[in-house]
Amino acid sequence: DAGITQSPRHKVTETGTPVTLRCHQTENHRYMYWYRQDPGHGLRLIHYSYGVKDTDKGEVSDGYSVSRSKTEDFLLTLESATSSQTSVYFCAISGRVGSYEQYFGPGTRLTVT
Amino acid sequence: DAKTTQPTSMDCAEGRAANLPCNHSTISGNEYVYWYRQIHSQGPQYIIHGLKNNETNEMASLIITEDRKSSTLILPHATLRDTAVYYCIAINTNAGKSTFGDGTTLTVKP
Repeated sequence: DAGITQSPRHKVTETGTPVTLRCHQTENHRYMYWYRQDPGHGLRLIHYSYGVKDTDKGEVSDGYSVSRSKTEDFLLTLESATSSQTSVYFCAISGRVGSYEQYFGPGTRLTVT
Repeated sequence: DAKTTQPTSMDCAEGRAANLPCNHSTISGNEYVYWYRQIHSQGPQYIIHGLKNNETNEMASLIITEDRKSSTLILPHATLRDTAVYYCIAINTNAGKSTFGDGTTLTVKP
């Protein structure tokens, strides 16, 4: 399995509080991605990174920000959590230019009350 | 990226081949077809990808029609552990991003 971990694995927070999720990889892969998955649906891309300090928006980026200060870590921040952001968040990594072969982390289940 | 259409659900008998279709009629020449699967609540797992030629690996085979408007993922001898949601995506890999649709829920039955 690819060396990719996510923390925390579960989190319950209140509306309006900031939340940061962490994705950590040991594969030295260039590309990293954050997705969210709502019950019964596929994954939707939030943000992705194609290198240190290089990030771009995905399909559902509103309300989320990211940072990547070093290759191994990609942080996803909810500045002010809302109930609509209750979801499972997956991080993925990809190593090869021109390839979309991604490896996914175990996911973080976030509940905003 | 081209939109893909997959059946919502399919059943397959254990030991038989599972053939999962995907329609991507608006695919462009530089877009690849990728398949992933997601078992229960785990992170998705890469299966296979192709551009225009048929592909095979240890997990599955991918058949892409000559006009590239559709493809079929084949699991040659399905087992109960192949029960999962299967996602087909069409992506220009130079674009660096894509989104997974709702996929096909494959249920392998004894």
